[in-house]
Amino acid sequence: EVQVLESGGALVQPGGSLRLSCAASGFTFKSHGMNWVRQAPGKGLEWVSTINDNGKNTHYADSVKGRFTISRDNSKNTLYLQMNSLRAEDTAIYYCATWIQVHFDDWGQGTLVTVSS
Amino acid sequence: DIVMTQTPLSSPVTVGQPASISCRSSQSLVHSDGNTYLSWLHQRPGQPPRLLIYKISNRFSGVPDRFSGSGAGTDFTLKISRVEAEDAGTYYCIQVTHFPWTFGQGTRVEIE
Repeated sequence: EVQVLESGGALVQPGGSLRLSCAASGFTFKSHGMNWVRQAPGKGLEWVSTINDNGKNTHYADSVKGRFTISRDNSKNTLYLQMNSLRAEDTAIYYCATWIQVHFDDWGQGTLVTVSS
Repeated sequence: DIVMTQTPLSSPVTVGQPASISCRSSQSLVHSDGNTYLSWLHQRPGQPPRLLIYKISNRFSGVPDRFSGSGAGTDFTLKISRVEAEDAGTYYCIQVTHFPWTFGQGTRVEIE
């Protein structure tokens, strides 16, 4: 059974940094792309970033480009999202989603990031 | 960036009745490989989204056959043939043909 578990969400001040993790199991992690998607409170879904299987190809939403970095450690079956220069508008639940057969085929429960002073 | 526009934004439906959601893209979603990467997801309150349909009309594993997708180019539709109570929630389309990938605003389906 595919499982992804996000962690690392917290309350952080504007301008601060945070690193999210997503631990994956139940599939061959190193063979598949992965994604981050976020959802601000009461709002819709926003795609954040995608990384391919070997980590060499990444893409970002314009709203996070230059501030967020997606990466992965295939030896640990873990996906990361390094978030710098955080803003109030980055407040959201951040979901990790797999790309096993197709894009966004399995999702974690999410981790909450709150950016506030 | 491609803008995805869903209509309606809210849809009250009665159990057993059909429902339909439209998703229109600001540009063609046909990829250079010939595929059209338009998906539909469903999110119940307090839950993560789950994939329903991919590449316009392909039902994901475990999705009931009352859900169907259709369309081409820039116009796409999700249909529920007979709504059940568990179908309540918000439906999103997303295009993964062109970066940056973009979601529609979401359509809230409320069971009357």
